[in-house]
Amino acid sequence: AQKVTQAQTEISVVEKEDVTLDCVYETRDTTYYLFWYKQPPSGELVFLIRRNSFDEQNEISGRYSWNFQKSTSSFNFTITASQVVDSAVYFCALSEATQGAQKLVFGQGTRLTINP
Amino acid sequence: EAQVTQNPRYLITVTGKKLTVTCSQNMNHEYMSWYRQDPGLGLRQIYYSMNVEVTDKGDVPEGYKVSRKEKRNFPLILESPSPNQTSLYFCASSLSLSRQGALFSPLHFGNGTRLTVT
Repeated sequence: AQKVTQAQTEISVVEKEDVTLDCVYETRDTTYYLFWYKQPPSGELVFLIRRNSFDEQNEISGRYSWNFQKSTSSFNFTITASQVVDSAVYFCALSEATQGAQKLVFGQGTRLTINP
Repeated sequence: EAQVTQNPRYLITVTGKKLTVTCSQNMNHEYMSWYRQDPGLGLRQIYYSMNVEVTDKGDVPEGYKVSRKEKRNFPLILESPSPNQTSLYFCASSLSLSRQGALFSPLHFGNGTRLTVT
């Protein structure tokens, strides 16, 4: 079963629009960590945020905000007033301790295109 | 500058010709890992290492080998590459694990190695 699902394969919006990238995860652990990474066209992976399972406070960082809801197992990412530089592939990832596997489990990624 | 360095960035090879992708980190991280990225599949873990001389299989280890003789280096070895190993490969390192054994600190990724096997 897919542990991290990013149902939106591709999103295209016009600059200055707000856009939300969905992430749904699956885990039986009570302690786990959720991450978002950005992969711009240059290809590197850039860490954006980490959230632990005991902290459901939403977070805002400039134009970026994250909505963590344990009740729906979701960790959605919103970009406000999008800019062309936000164009990238965005990955949501889960870290859990099930069976001692030390890894991040990544979603399939969402390709976001911001058009001028 | 703190970084994870992979080499080469691009590699084209033929089926069966052994190759090594090097990975080195200068952050004194104990945890290192290799991932491959394929369209529609996201990133999948190949192998990981908790410390020197300690390595374990990830989700897709077939056809790959690794070694961790030194803390800073974690090379990925393809003894007999095949076309289905054509992919984008990332090395990563991390500072620590949580008490429960889950990966706690963010992964620091190298810039990737695009491998094509013909």
